Amino acid sequence: GENVEQHPSTLSVQEGDSAVIKCTYSDSASNYFPWYKQELGKRPQLIIDIRSNVGEKKDQRIAVTLNKTAKHFSLHITETQPEDSAVYFCAASMRTDKLIFGTGTRLQVFP
Amino acid sequence: DAGVIQSPRHEVTEMGQEVTLRCKPISGHDYLFWYRQTMMRGLELLIYFNNNVPIDDSGMPEDRFSAKMPNASFSTLKIQPSEPRDSAVYFCASSFGGADGYTFGSGTRLTVV
Repeated sequence: GENVEQHPSTLSVQEGDSAVIKCTYSDSASNYFPWYKQELGKRPQLIIDIRSNVGEKKDQRIAVTLNKTAKHFSLHITETQPEDSAVYFCAASMRTDKLIFGTGTRLQVFP
Repeated sequence: DAGVIQSPRHEVTEMGQEVTLRCKPISGHDYLFWYRQTMMRGLELLIYFNNNVPIDDSGMPEDRFSAKMPNASFSTLKIQPSEPRDSAVYFCASSFGGADGYTFGSGTRLTVV
C-alpha cells in the first residue's frame, strides 16, 4: 500500500552543524512532497515543499532535494540553531488529494 | 481568518463513553482531513472530505469511529464506545484544492481511562 518511510527517528546535532533527514515513498506517481515542523505541544506547520518537476528547492537555511528515480527526498538544514529543535515530518501526495506522512524525526540542536 | 479551530483542546473520558471531537475549517477551503497522532504510529489519516462529501475513510480504525461534515464550516469525529487505545492527539486540517498547503488545527488531546 501507500507508504512513506522516514529516517532517522532521532537526530542530535551541535548548534551550527547541518542536519539531514531522508524519506522514501512507494508510489512512483506521487507528485507533491511537503515537509512539516511540529514544535512540542503545537500543530504541524508547513516549512517547505517540492513538486515532482523540480529537483531541489531552497529557502534560506532549509533545502529539499528530490530523486524521482530512487523515490526519495531529503530535508537539509544548515547552520542549525536551538530553535530548529522540533519533530519534522515528510509527506507525499500519492495520486489523490491526501497526504501520507512519514513517522517523524525528532531533531535536537544543542547549544 | 482564525485558522482551523478544534474543540475541545483536551478531553478525558472513561472507557465506554461517547466522545465527539469538533472542527471548523478555514472559510473557503474545500478539503477537510482528520488525522490521529501517536508516538508509535505518527500521523495517520483517518478520513477526508471534499465539498462535505467523504472521499476516503479507509483509515478509520473500526466501526466505533464515525465522521460527518454536515456543512462546509463544521465537521465531527465521534468515537462510540471509547477505549484506552484511542488515547491520542486528533488533528483536523483543511486545504483548498487538495494536498497542497494543509493548515492544521491545534488538535484535541484525548485520554480514555
